[in-house]
Amino acid sequence: KQEVTQIPAALSVPEGENLVLNCSFTDSAIYNLQWFRQDPGKGLTSLLLIQSSQREQTSGRLNASLDKSSGRSTLYIAASQPGDSATYLCAVAGANSKLTFGKGITLSVRP
Amino acid sequence: DTAVSQTPKYLVTQMGNDKSIKCEQNLGHDTMYWYKQDSKKFLKIMFSYNNKELIINETVPNRFSPKSPDKAHLNLHINSLELGDSAVYFCASSQNLAGGFNEQFFGPGTRLTVL
Repeated sequence: KQEVTQIPAALSVPEGENLVLNCSFTDSAIYNLQWFRQDPGKGLTSLLLIQSSQREQTSGRLNASLDKSSGRSTLYIAASQPGDSATYLCAVAGANSKLTFGKGITLSVRP
Repeated sequence: DTAVSQTPKYLVTQMGNDKSIKCEQNLGHDTMYWYKQDSKKFLKIMFSYNNKELIINETVPNRFSPKSPDKAHLNLHINSLELGDSAVYFCASSQNLAGGFNEQFFGPGTRLTVL
């Protein structure tokens, strides 16, 4: 059974700092890994998807990496801004596109 | 244009009632999903349908019955609502592509409160 862990549960950083959010998963037989952002009381916004054959994906100030063999992914946020404050969720896709989610990391970027 | 939409956004009801949540996607995707986010914000898949066919059915009480009238719609009907059903329910969709590139897009969620 796939388990996804995101530690720490919460993170507070000053504006402008570069930061890394970690995600680990127990079963390396995945099809892809997706990072989402969730604002309070809102739905999920897809940030990046990495296919199992890829090592990383970039979108703007975001860079996500995937190391399938070690069961790890990181989301790198460059030059963080207060608008980046949200909960970041990591999810891995197994058979039938079933997504297993971590519990998320709540990020607060202080002005 | 909203890609994945859900109605209603909020639903407050009494224990024992039957309710439905509707989901529609205009992305042309062939796969749709229902997820439940509990009070601890943990998201878990409930069901998925591919071309109106049930693909995933997690350990969900049979009081929950998804219905897919066509590829663009996946509704969730809940019978005999219980206090523990209070949660936010998210609908999602994706296109079933080879190679693992089946990015899922989520709706805004329906907050269900059972009194």
